[in-house]
This record gives sequence, C-alpha cells and structure tokens, in this order.
Amino acid sequence: EPEVTQTPSHQVTQMGQEVILRCVPISNHLYFYWYRQILGQKVEFLVSFYNNEISEKSEIFDDQFSVERPDGSNFTLKIRSTKLEDSAMYFCASSYGTGGAYEQYFGPGTRLTVT
Amino acid sequence: DQQVKQNSPSLSVQEGRISILNCDYTNSMFDYFLWYKKYPAEGPTFLISISSIKDKNEDGRFTVFLNKSAKHLSLHIVPSQPGDSAVYFCAASWAGGGADGLTFGKGTHLIIQP
Repeated sequence: EPEVTQTPSHQVTQMGQEVILRCVPISNHLYFYWYRQILGQKVEFLVSFYNNEISEKSEIFDDQFSVERPDGSNFTLKIRSTKLEDSAMYFCASSYGTGGAYEQYFGPGTRLTVT
Repeated sequence: DQQVKQNSPSLSVQEGRISILNCDYTNSMFDYFLWYKKYPAEGPTFLISISSIKDKNEDGRFTVFLNKSAKHLSLHIVPSQPGDSAVYFCAASWAGGGADGLTFGKGTHLIIQP
C-alpha cells in the first residue's frame, strides 16, 4: 500500500538555526500539506500546496516558514530561524483531490526539538 | 479558537462493548467531517468520514452519526477490539476554496480493556 514517508524521524536543533523537514508524498497525489502537533495539543494545519504553489496557509505559517517541491517527489518544509516554541511533531500529508471527500494520508511525522 | 471540540480526553471501554466517541463543532460552514485514528509514533490514519448532507455513514464496525442542528457528531465502534486502543481525532473541512486544511479536535484516547 502506498504511504507518505518523512525524514528525519527526529531532528534536534539549536534556537536560531534553520531546519528542513522532508516528505515524500504518495506518487499520484496532487495536494500536499504540513501540519504540526505541539505536545499535548491538537494537530494544527500549517499550509497546503498545489500545482507548485501555496493554496492555503494558517496564521501559524508566518515568514519563518516556507515550503517547496524541489523535484517530482519531495516536499519540504523549511523553518528559517527556529524558536523554542517550534518544538513539535510535524506531519506531512497528501491527497489526490481537495475537500473532505478526499482522504488525506499522513506520514509518520518528524519530531523537531529546538534547544 | 476551538472550532472542533472533543471534550473527553480519554475513554475506557470493555472489549466487545460499544465505544462512543463524541465531537462538537462551532463552524456551520464545515461540509465534511472525518475521524482519524493515531497510534504512538505514527501519523493519523483515516477511519471514516461523513458529508454534511448525510446523517449517518457506516463502514464495518465503524459508524459515524451527524446531528447538524446540534453541531454534534459521534463515532460508534461495535464491537470494540483491543486493537482499537488509540487516540481518535475528529476533524472537519470546509470547501471554501483552494486545498483546504483539516481542523482537528484535541483527540480522545480510547482504551479497550480485556
């Protein structure tokens, strides 16, 4: 069964450093997403991406964040200058279509720890 | 801003019995509701969804009920099995344009006791 993969599984970084989280969505999917879950809190939507551009972003997704699809398979989330409060699980997801009728498939997540 | 609320952080049910997980929402623009299941160290896995134009959707042991007037939905699992022990997230989407992100509740940790 096809699945979304994410690397690394755990990333530790110092405050102020840049990090890039990587995702390989399911190959025939067209829509890509990043979510995050701070420990003990709910999963929060960050950004969606379609046709090589951002479709929608939440208020969390400020200028420190960027997304890119550098080639035909990878989808990345970059945090330019990490803060302590960026520590969270980051989930990548993909779907074939948009809207609730199309299931979003989630990856296993990257745990980001900012020290 | 909790648009999707799951008021029970945890629920314990005996194996073989019915598990009922509840979810409330405030945004009447939501047009799809979904339930995801999450095991530790894994991402959320889709379980079942329901369109806002329906009041029930069934898939095997899982049934989701939607009461639009009360802005309430519930997930029924019958019979409950040990493998059902996980965190269950209620989520909602709104086709307001673009590739819409899901709005999640905080989750309910379901524990199935033998």
